[in-house]
This record gives sequence, C-alpha cells and structure tokens, in this order.
Amino acid sequence: SQQGEEDPQALSIQEGENATMNCSYKTSINNLQWYRQNSGRGLVHLILIRSNEREKHSGRLRVTLDTSKKSSSLLITASRAADTASYFCATEVTGGGNKLTFGTGTQLKVEL
Amino acid sequence: SAVISQKPSRDICQRGTSLTIQCQVDSQVTMMFWYRQQPGQSLTLIATANQGSEATYESGFVIDKFPISRPNLTFSTLTVSNMSPEDSSIYLCSVSGTASSYEQYFGPGTRLTVT
Repeated sequence: SQQGEEDPQALSIQEGENATMNCSYKTSINNLQWYRQNSGRGLVHLILIRSNEREKHSGRLRVTLDTSKKSSSLLITASRAADTASYFCATEVTGGGNKLTFGTGTQLKVEL
Repeated sequence: SAVISQKPSRDICQRGTSLTIQCQVDSQVTMMFWYRQQPGQSLTLIATANQGSEATYESGFVIDKFPISRPNLTFSTLTVSNMSPEDSSIYLCSVSGTASSYEQYFGPGTRLTVT
C-alpha cells in the first residue's frame, strides 16, 4: 500500500524557475528519502532526511520535513532541462526493518 | 554509495515461462530488497532478501511466484515464475546498510515484457 501521497502529480515549469514537490505520509518514520527516476530507468538517490532533522540541503536541492504534519517538501532551485524526471519520496517506517514505502511520484517537466 | 548491477537489463518472455534476475553489489551490505514498478506506477516492495534464509515477503507476494535467493552479502536473485502479461514491469533490487549510511540505493532495473 502507498504510504505517501505526492503533489502535484505533474508539474511543468520553465528553465530557471524553482520546482516544489510535496509528500505526505501516514505513520511514524525513521527517515524520508527522495529519489529521481528518468524515463523508467533506475532510481537515483537524492537526499535522506532523518526524523529529527527539519531541513537539509544538497546543491540545488532543499528538503524539509515536518513530522507533526507528516509531510516533506523537495525544492529544486534554478531548474534545468536535465531535471526533467519523475521524483519519488520514500519513507522508512519506524519498526519496518529498513523497508521503504514509496509515494505516488511527481512528474516534473522543465522546458527550455 | 554502493554500485549495483542487474542482469538482464531487459527481456521479452512468453507467458508460462520463468525468468531469473540477478543483482550484484560491489560491497557487502546488510539489507537487500526487491521492488516492482508496474507501468506508470510507483514502486512496490516484493520482499526482503535475507542472507542464508528464506526471504520475507510483503502482502500480496508469495514465494512460489517470486522465489528469491541470497547466498551471500553481495548477491541476490529474483525469479518471476509462470509469467503472465500482468507481470510486465520493471524489477529493481536495492541495498542498504553499507559501512556509513542508512541510505537505500537502487540498481538500474530489469524491464520485463511478457507476451
């Protein structure tokens, strides 16, 4: 079953703009991880944020986590055409033995 | 991060046959998992591959349909048995529990089409 719901389902922006994707989940977690997938290929790990962290940065990526609202957001700044991909959040549920439960995903299209 | 390879990268199979997918990691890892991604969908966990013992399957997945082996800390196989067109998916292995990270890394996936 899906632990997370992501919105929007699809997002289309112009190159140089910022893209924000949101993820909500249902149960207590150890961490939340964001992934990128290009055209049905393997998943690229972007960033992991632990349950006791509120914000994390990596290059043009900024992830926030609000455990009281059971939600996370991924911000991509100054987007590029190469950022076009599907983005998934995945939660490691507390007591779940390192298993990940994936959200529904956001399809991002960055146009020139 | 761990480097993960999968073989085959893609295959087209006839219904009723079986396919075994291999997953190899370049370093010893604690946990290995198998996921399925149906067309246009998100990922669903099939099972946790346990080293030296039977895999732990998620609800809706059974050993007779998806037998899994994990003979050591760097290798696992997933077999998709008695295939039907509904098994057409991308199958991905993942690993976690490297020396310094709780992050989970994924292989490139195996794209399976059943005709």
